[in-house]
Parts: sequence; C-alpha cells; structure tokens
Amino acid sequence: DAKTTQPTSMDCAEGRAANLPCNHSTISGNEYVYWYRQIHSQGPQYIIHGLKNNETNEMASLIITEDRKSSTLILPHATLRDTAVYYCIVRAHFSNAGNNRKLIWGLGTSLAVNP
Amino acid sequence: GAGVSQTPSNKVTEKGKYVELRCDPISGHTALYWYRQSLGQGPEFLIYFQGTGAADDSGLPNDRFFAVRPEGSVSTLKIQRTERGDSAVYLCASSAHGGETSGANVLTFGAGSRLTVL
Repeated sequence: DAKTTQPTSMDCAEGRAANLPCNHSTISGNEYVYWYRQIHSQGPQYIIHGLKNNETNEMASLIITEDRKSSTLILPHATLRDTAVYYCIVRAHFSNAGNNRKLIWGLGTSLAVNP
Repeated sequence: GAGVSQTPSNKVTEKGKYVELRCDPISGHTALYWYRQSLGQGPEFLIYFQGTGAADDSGLPNDRFFAVRPEGSVSTLKIQRTERGDSAVYLCASSAHGGETSGANVLTFGAGSRLTVL
C-alpha cells in the first residue's frame, strides 16, 4: 500500500474552512484515498473516500489532484467538535495478496479548532 | 444496537493473567477487524474475519494472542500471559462490504477496550 505523508498538526479558527493535506506520491491506479478521524478517547470515524474525482458528503469534501499524488480534506465550517486526529490512508478495494485487508495508519494530523 | 459495542471499556490486569475482550459488531456486517492502538500512534492491524473464519491474522504479534468469531457475529480477542507491553487500546471494527468494492475499507469502529497490564 502507498505511504502517505501528513503534517503533524494544524490549527483552524472556528467557523473557518479547515484544509488538511495529504501526500501519496506513490499511489497506484487501483488505490483509493480514505479519510478517517479520531476524536480523543473515541474509536476512528470514517469521513470520506475517493479514487480520482472530487467527492463531497455531509461531513467533508475531498479534493484529489489530477495526478492523484496528493489530496486535501476540506471541512467547510470547522467547529470545536471537529478537533481530532485526521488520518489519510490509501488502499486498493481488492487485494493483490490473498485476503489482506489491513489498513496502514500513520500518525495523522492533529487538528485543533480554536474558538 | 446501532454501533459496534466493545466490552469492557477498561480492563486492568496483572502481568501473566489471561484477558478476554469482546466485540459486538453492527448486525449483518460480515467483516470484522481487530486493531491495537498505543498512545500517540495510529491503529495497528491485528486480525480480520470474514464470517466465522479468520481470513488474515498476520497482525497478531505472537501466539499469546488469539481471536474467535464462532457464529459470524460476536468476536472475542483473547490474550494469554499478558505482558506490560500489551497495554493499549484494542479497537474492533466491522464492515458490511466484502473485499471487492471500495466500501470494504469503510469501517465502523467501536470505542475500544483500554487494557492496562501492571
């Protein structure tokens, strides 16, 4: 699975857009980009995923560059409850190695939304 | 329930003791995962079940760790002869999807079981 690189931490003012970048320069053609977040003392929560087109749901938007080597998760109007660690993961939807289903998690970006 | 339920939420045990951690996935989810998370780190894969069988147990650190899912629903992670290094949050997740769709990697996680080995 492709390795991802994210900034260690970011700050955002409440009500402003939070733009979280992720580099995945070695991504393969069959690999999707997934975003999860983890609020303190909770389990990770799925946010959004995409292959090459931009995606939007009720939580966030995902912008993937044309070469697919990087992406940005956008929280359009950040609230204090969005303070969390955000993880970017790349993974194929099928396995090239039997039943391998593991997601490889890095350290993520710790987002602090400030009042 | 609507989510993934894990019990106990906290477990403190002594070195050398046996521990069981239980996971009740979302009803109807065929895929179930166990991950382990140490402080300040991302989750680390342990094992994946598709139905009753362990399809991938490559993340289990050693033979002290074992997991079962006998009826394809509830799963139990079992740790024998616990060591202080086993202290972590053990996360369970489930997914409705098989491996051939992008949804296979959309996991719903429980709140975790925090294990402390003294």
